[in-house]
Amino acid sequence: QKEVEQDPGPLSVPEGAIVSLNCTYSNSAFQYFMWYRQYSRKGPELLMYTYSSGNKEDGRFTAQVDKSSKYISLFIRDSQPSDSATYLCAMSVWSQKLVFGQGTRLTINP
Amino acid sequence: EPEVTQTPSHQVTQMGQEVILRCVPISNHLYFYWYRQILGQKVEFLVSFYNNEISEKSEIFDDQFSVERPDGSNFTLKIRSTKLEDSAMYFCASSEPGGPHEQYFGPGTRLTVT
Repeated sequence: QKEVEQDPGPLSVPEGAIVSLNCTYSNSAFQYFMWYRQYSRKGPELLMYTYSSGNKEDGRFTAQVDKSSKYISLFIRDSQPSDSATYLCAMSVWSQKLVFGQGTRLTINP
Repeated sequence: EPEVTQTPSHQVTQMGQEVILRCVPISNHLYFYWYRQILGQKVEFLVSFYNNEISEKSEIFDDQFSVERPDGSNFTLKIRSTKLEDSAMYFCASSEPGGPHEQYFGPGTRLTVT
């Protein structure tokens, strides 16, 4: 079983839709959960991070962590064409090593 | 806004040659990292560096790899004898002392080994 699994997509939605992106993981020791956005041929850009379980909101973005199900989500409200990118989940135990998912390619259609 | 910078943006080298990839982390950050991303694959951790020594490394980071902080601003990754399978995007990242999980990435160096 892969340590972090993420559906690579592609996912295509109309502008203004609510987008839901998800990852599952197998290592119950993960404590920190991050979402990165990566535009083509660029470095990952940190969007949000969450410690342990719960929700975190930042503008149009909401991150959720359900440790009991080993499942994390990122919701994007009022999606914009500029949100079109690959979204990567990443996780860590109390260490410096981030373990990434495959990334989901998202396209927002005007 | 402070950012991580990397040079060169693209490096082409022949198999067996040594390459050095350079990074300038965010100035008040104390943890430094290298990751790589082979085309179409996941971003993979290579090594973390703190207080002038390696703090963690992956099984990918074998004897042909080394890291160095030669001065107060640069952080380098050296690959001693490149192989075809080293072709990838190499990302440098850095983080603050209190938050090694909040890592900020540079734009990457594309390494092509021919």
